[in-house]
Amino acid sequence: GQQVMQIPQYQHVQEGEDFTTYCNSSTTLSNIQWYKQRPGGHPVFLIQLVKSGEVKKQKRLTFQFGEAKKNSSLHITATQTTDVGTYFCAVGNEKLTFGTGTRLTIIP
Amino acid sequence: EAQVTQNPRYLITVTGKKLTVTCSQNMNHEYMSWYRQDPGLGLRQIYYSMNVEVTDKGDVPEGYKVSRKEKRNFPLILESPSPNQTSLYFCASSLGSGGYGYEQYFGPGTRLTVT
Repeated sequence: GQQVMQIPQYQHVQEGEDFTTYCNSSTTLSNIQWYKQRPGGHPVFLIQLVKSGEVKKQKRLTFQFGEAKKNSSLHITATQTTDVGTYFCAVGNEKLTFGTGTRLTIIP
Repeated sequence: EAQVTQNPRYLITVTGKKLTVTCSQNMNHEYMSWYRQDPGLGLRQIYYSMNVEVTDKGDVPEGYKVSRKEKRNFPLILESPSPNQTSLYFCASSLGSGGYGYEQYFGPGTRLTVT
């Protein structure tokens, strides 16, 4: 199956600072999905990227798919306490592979 | 309400005692899968099912069995649990494979401890 590396594993930011997590693959991806898991909760779908160079925004969240479709990023502008959680990317075909996740904690 | 349900939510058991974790969805989804989540390892897929009577191995299938006799149900069976299967388990469903762009809906999770 497809493999993906996600960095960083942890990120601690002051409230109001920006946050970015990255997913990288050695192979070209057909698409990539992003999920968020709040502490004690289950993963929840955020978005899917399909096209080369695609950029999608959801309020303060910006998702990018690389031109070569081998990497993707999730950027949060001006973090808030509600952004706390672990963010995962997911790739694959029938078999789905998740990145190891980036755990975001926010210092008020 | 559209949802994925899992039972039990918490389970403490002993090595070797067979157990089943049930998963059910009410969204008429064709694709269902099981994941385990361990610290630092993220979500790893155990088994997935593209449709009724069609199941296939994920990345970590050893020690687990599944069946898909009905569209809505996808139980996870541990025939002889071992302590290394202590983990948080999630069931998920979707219209099709997430790899083909379909949003995965996750259940609330089952925390399993094997002593």
